[in-house]
Amino acid sequence: DTAVSQTPKYLVTQMGNDKSIKCEQNLGHDTMYWYKQDSKKFLKIMFSYNNKELIINETVPNRFSPKSPDKAHLNLHINSLELGDSAVYFCASSRASGRSEQFFGPGTRLTVL
Amino acid sequence: GIQVEQSPPDLILQEGANSTLRCNFSDSVNNLQWFHQNPWGQLINLFYIPSGTKQNGRLSATTVATERYSLLYISSSQTTDSGVYFCAVNSGGYQKVTFGTGTKLQVIP
Repeated sequence: DTAVSQTPKYLVTQMGNDKSIKCEQNLGHDTMYWYKQDSKKFLKIMFSYNNKELIINETVPNRFSPKSPDKAHLNLHINSLELGDSAVYFCASSRASGRSEQFFGPGTRLTVL
Repeated sequence: GIQVEQSPPDLILQEGANSTLRCNFSDSVNNLQWFHQNPWGQLINLFYIPSGTKQNGRLSATTVATERYSLLYISSSQTTDSGVYFCAVNSGGYQKVTFGTGTKLQVIP
């Protein structure tokens, strides 16, 4: 069973489009995260949700909007995509807060043309 | 915010060699994890190690929280060990995790 899953795995789209990435975890964790990995492999946290409540928003443009319908799901919607949004986006989850072990999904490679 | 530096940034090993990767952090931490990102991009949990020493097969890790560093040891390296190794820390800030700069390891036959 996949612990943290993301869809789609690859996403190629044109500048200006709106797209969504979905994430689901079956670990029973309370906290979920979105990370962005740039072309230099640097990983940076974007958002964190705890029990469907937004906890961390790391100076991410308003075009990025996370949505958590329940604590097992955290989706990422991106409006008006820009070239600089091209990256790999990882979803992760943990039992509670950043003080416990995090588990990552397989990543979604977004390419904006 | 906390700074997390890893060294060396790049490492090439002959298969069978041993290596030590280092993670230095600039402030006290609540926890620390080591990850391996394989050539397919998957992030694999290696150790959850806020302090002390753990071993898992050919890999072991030691965190000395009071001196603000952690070490990852890889013994008898194999080509499948290739990839990027990250440490990640949580430092007081609720749920915020900061990743290190990574060590890119290439193991050649």
